[in-house]
Amino acid sequence: DQQVKQNSPSLSVQEGRISILNCDYTNSMFDYFLWYKKYPAEGPTFLISISSIKDKNEDGRFTVFLNKSAKHLSLHIVPSQPGDSAVYFCAASGGFRRGSQGNLIFGKGTKLSVKP
Amino acid sequence: DARVTQTPRHKVTEMGQEVTMRCQPILGHNTVFWYRQTMMQGLELLAYFRNRAPLDDSGMPKDRFSAEMPDATLATLKIQPSEPRDSAVYFCASGSVTLGRRTDTQYFGPGTRLTVL
Repeated sequence: DQQVKQNSPSLSVQEGRISILNCDYTNSMFDYFLWYKKYPAEGPTFLISISSIKDKNEDGRFTVFLNKSAKHLSLHIVPSQPGDSAVYFCAASGGFRRGSQGNLIFGKGTKLSVKP
Repeated sequence: DARVTQTPRHKVTEMGQEVTMRCQPILGHNTVFWYRQTMMQGLELLAYFRNRAPLDDSGMPKDRFSAEMPDATLATLKIQPSEPRDSAVYFCASGSVTLGRRTDTQYFGPGTRLTVL
């Protein structure tokens, strides 16, 4: 029973174009969402997050959009660069008011390849 | 430059041997997580601690895995006896959680790649 799903295992994009990575969740109790990037032989690194009280959060070339009614979030990278090639994990948290202890539920990741 | 450290980075062992993985969380972080990454399951949460107390270890096979925090600067994950199916990358992550302040961001170490032959 996957509560956080990344349905595309891989994505290939041309340098300079937009990369859109998608994530769906099933648990309506989730109220905080994060994206992590992972290079081979390294641990995941935090990229950007969004609280459920917002529908958009931007940080430089990275923007995360949240659609609560659809239980869907997406990460946009504009413009994409070859150095962005990595595996991207979506993660969700349940919220302290709802009994969460801060643990994250991760999707299985999407491998992004940005071609020069 | 605060970061989570893990040792060893690589471990090759034979089935039946004991394996101990160590993690030093970021100074000041009060929550430590252990994850396992496999091709099939992605990132699985094995156990986590807050203020050194175990909060949840339901993700761990109890008969062979154990996790402890002897002190605030060291977390350990032990497998005894190890089996080939335990081969995976094990990540430690730390974070800071305090009452009234919501911070779910976790910071990961580089991982321990375990191969059990």
